[in-house]
Amino acid sequence: DTEVTQTPKHLVMGMTNKKSLKCEQHMGHRAMYWYKQKAKKPPELMFVYSYEKLSINESVPSRFSPECPNSSLLNLHLHALQPEDSALYLCASSNPQRRNNEQFFGPGTRLTVL
Amino acid sequence: DAKTTQPPSMDCAEGRAANLPCNHSTISGNEYVYWYRQIHSQGPQYIIHGLKNNETNEMASLIITEDRKSSTLILPHATLRDTAVYYCIVRGTGSARQLTFGSGTQLTVLP
Repeated sequence: DTEVTQTPKHLVMGMTNKKSLKCEQHMGHRAMYWYKQKAKKPPELMFVYSYEKLSINESVPSRFSPECPNSSLLNLHLHALQPEDSALYLCASSNPQRRNNEQFFGPGTRLTVL
Repeated sequence: DAKTTQPPSMDCAEGRAANLPCNHSTISGNEYVYWYRQIHSQGPQYIIHGLKNNETNEMASLIITEDRKSSTLILPHATLRDTAVYYCIVRGTGSARQLTFGSGTQLTVLP
């Protein structure tokens, strides 16, 4: 199984809502990533988890709250988002023990904030 | 991680080879060259990577110049399904290393 799954595929939320994005992989990868991609722009890193611990936070606003409950799951909790947070949110995973750890990406969640 | 420069767009006729260039003049000795592609509205997909030797897999070939300051990704027989944004990324080794995406090259394969 070389698949990273993300749910939901699409999400529309208001600025006062609380929602969560979910990412799952069963490749035994112990590094997981959240990227944000605005339209016609390249993906930008948000967070990195290594062995279920947050290792990189790219100065992401606190309205985005990541969580890694176990080695297969990665969540992104959303609260009080702004319309400019509308984007494609991509999850990826990799094996940190490999010297050249290629990242496997999920299909993304397309988020619209109204 | 070193910065990369790619042309913003390229066209290629279906069935012909697509040659996508990348400049990475500030690459250091322990940094690898990675290529990913992103088909519209999908997640990026790993293609190939290399250090200094040319590499080939079932998807593509990677040619790295001897001074390692530039590289070319070759899709030998481009199909319409190869239409995508292709990202050249230079990255060091390490445990959980993020990918820093540049602007990439939009490759359009024409029928």
